[in-house]
Amino acid sequence: DQQVKQNSPSLSVQEGRISILNCDYTNSMFDYFLWYKKYPAEGPTFLISISSIKDKNEDGRFTVFLNKSAKHLSLHIVPSQPGDSAVYFCAASDSGYSTLTFGKGTMLLVSP
Amino acid sequence: DTEVTQTPKHLVMGMTNKKSLKCEQHMGHRAMYWYKQKAKKPPELMFVYSYEKLSINESVPSRFSPECPNSSLLNLHLHALQPEDSALYLCASSPPSNTEAFFGQGTRLTVV
Repeated sequence: DQQVKQNSPSLSVQEGRISILNCDYTNSMFDYFLWYKKYPAEGPTFLISISSIKDKNEDGRFTVFLNKSAKHLSLHIVPSQPGDSAVYFCAASDSGYSTLTFGKGTMLLVSP
Repeated sequence: DTEVTQTPKHLVMGMTNKKSLKCEQHMGHRAMYWYKQKAKKPPELMFVYSYEKLSINESVPSRFSPECPNSSLLNLHLHALQPEDSALYLCASSPPSNTEAFFGQGTRLTVV
């Protein structure tokens, strides 16, 4: 049973436009959510996180929105750049340690 | 130093071999993790060490044996692996009070 779901395997966006990556979760005990970016043959790189006490967190071009009642979060990237092309993983945690549960990932392709 | 370093980057081993994966971090993080990632799948947690003690073992077969010799090092000893154990093995670390895990680049393991 998948506790973190990323239902879009891939997303294509033009450079300069907004990229919106979505993530749903089923475990109501999750209280911390993270987005990681991954290039092939590399480890995941942390992008941005949000605690369950917030509904929005912003860092430069990246903004994460959390809707607890819907158990849904999204990552907005604006403006998108070709270098953003990678697989994006949504992850969630319900403990004080990083025992992360990952979604299956969404491959983002930003074309010039 | 904000890196988690994993060696080797690639490893090919036979089913009767014994090998070890190594992970090192010098960020003062007291929690360290092993994750396994199969192709086109999300990373899956294997082990968590907290203050050099094993705190979580996600029902991993005994042919995988973790070891944490000190607060900077994490090893994964491999013995009698199966071809289906071929995967990317990721090490991560985090401060105890922060759930953001920093990942290494991974070891690409192939069992033949």
